[in-house]
Amino acid sequence: DAGVTQSPTHLIKTRGQQVTLRCSPKSGHDTVSWYQQALGQGPQFIFQYYEEEERQRGNFPDRFSGHQFPNYSSELNVNALLLGDSALYLCASSFRGSGNTIYFGEGSWLTVV
Amino acid sequence: ELKVEQNPLFLSMQEGKNYTIYCNYSTTSDRLYWYRQDPGKSLESLFVLLSNGAVKQEGRLMASLDTKARLSTLHITAAVHDLSATYFCAVDMFPNAGGTSYGKLTFGQGTILTVHP
Repeated sequence: DAGVTQSPTHLIKTRGQQVTLRCSPKSGHDTVSWYQQALGQGPQFIFQYYEEEERQRGNFPDRFSGHQFPNYSSELNVNALLLGDSALYLCASSFRGSGNTIYFGEGSWLTVV
Repeated sequence: ELKVEQNPLFLSMQEGKNYTIYCNYSTTSDRLYWYRQDPGKSLESLFVLLSNGAVKQEGRLMASLDTKARLSTLHITAAVHDLSATYFCAVDMFPNAGGTSYGKLTFGQGTILTVHP
């Protein structure tokens, strides 16, 4: 049973560029959430997708956008990258409405230079 | 706005000793998670606590939830070096409006645990 998979694992971008991160949820899960974890801090909620729609959003600017596909996989897009966007981006997978564990992928390390 | 506070933020323990990490949160919730994170790695799920009075144990770790006090504890018994990591608690709330499901976790700052021989 594959867990939550994310790609790429590491990437380096230049200020002003755009980046797309990808996530496949755990088998049987239909909800994907994205988190940003800066060095030395706890993860911060970006947004959540279910049934291909954004359902909840954290305090992140519109430069952060996402998409969910019919197979439940998801993308996180960040436009006009800033140095402060450098962080570990984590994808979390769950089954909507359940009290079960929320599983996290290994993350994508983004460095903006 | 939901706030989640952990203490202590740094914990240096000797092997064999016991200690407790505390997680306080500011708004009523009935779902609390504990995660472990090793340096440079992702979050590993430890416990899911879904009701007042819930207690779960796995090996040397035991977690509990008191929803009335808005407090969860992670107790470490007879610590060993392999437990050295950062531990996060995270609170989940069903949204009051707009959202449609659980899954928006608010994390504490994390407790960096170091276990010494």
